[in-house]
Amino acid sequence: GAVVSQHPSWVICKSGTSVKIECRSLDFQATTMFWYRQFPKQSLMLMATSNEGSKATYEQGVEKDKFLINHASLTLSTLTVTSAHPEDSSFYICSAFIWGEGWASNQPQHFGDGTRLSIL
Amino acid sequence: ILNVEQSPQSLHVQEGDSTNFTCSFPSSNFYALHWYRWETAKSPEALFVMTLNGDEKKKGRISATLNTKEGYSYLYIKGSQPEDSATYLCALNAGNNRKLIWGLGTSLAVNP
Repeated sequence: GAVVSQHPSWVICKSGTSVKIECRSLDFQATTMFWYRQFPKQSLMLMATSNEGSKATYEQGVEKDKFLINHASLTLSTLTVTSAHPEDSSFYICSAFIWGEGWASNQPQHFGDGTRLSIL
Repeated sequence: ILNVEQSPQSLHVQEGDSTNFTCSFPSSNFYALHWYRWETAKSPEALFVMTLNGDEKKKGRISATLNTKEGYSYLYIKGSQPEDSATYLCALNAGNNRKLIWGLGTSLAVNP
């Protein structure tokens, strides 16, 4: 149980292209999903918290107009990197909590497989 | 800025060896400490979520302890197997908002 599907796994595209990454909870409902980014030899860094039916909450330093998040249903959140440039090349990964487990901080996160984004 | 440190950065052991790694974190504002196992080309898998000082959790050959007063957690693997090869990540929840602050991980390679 608690499977999160993330697509695509790899994206290579030209500078200026917008790229959409999908994160789906397959067997549970997720009111909250997290989007992380990881640069080489660095730790996972939270970019934003995605809440179903409301605006995402972005971490300091993350441009909300650059990284558009849509969480229109209880099973799907999308991250769109708009007008991507080489500096946006990174590993992006989403995670989700199972809806109904409450707001306790002691619940694990369930992760997708991640998306490797390369902007030429 | 809260910082989570993990050591060692990498570890090579022989099959059958027991091993352990450390996760250090600021002891103030502690809510929970998470451990995850991340195999290459797969998604991170939750191992433990620990909340109480002195807590000890076990899952098969893997166990973890927690000291919130001094700000560290140990992860132990007994009788390492090649399938244990992965990166082991710890993450601190420093507030009741589910945001996690991650360490860099310990990369474990178990040689058959």
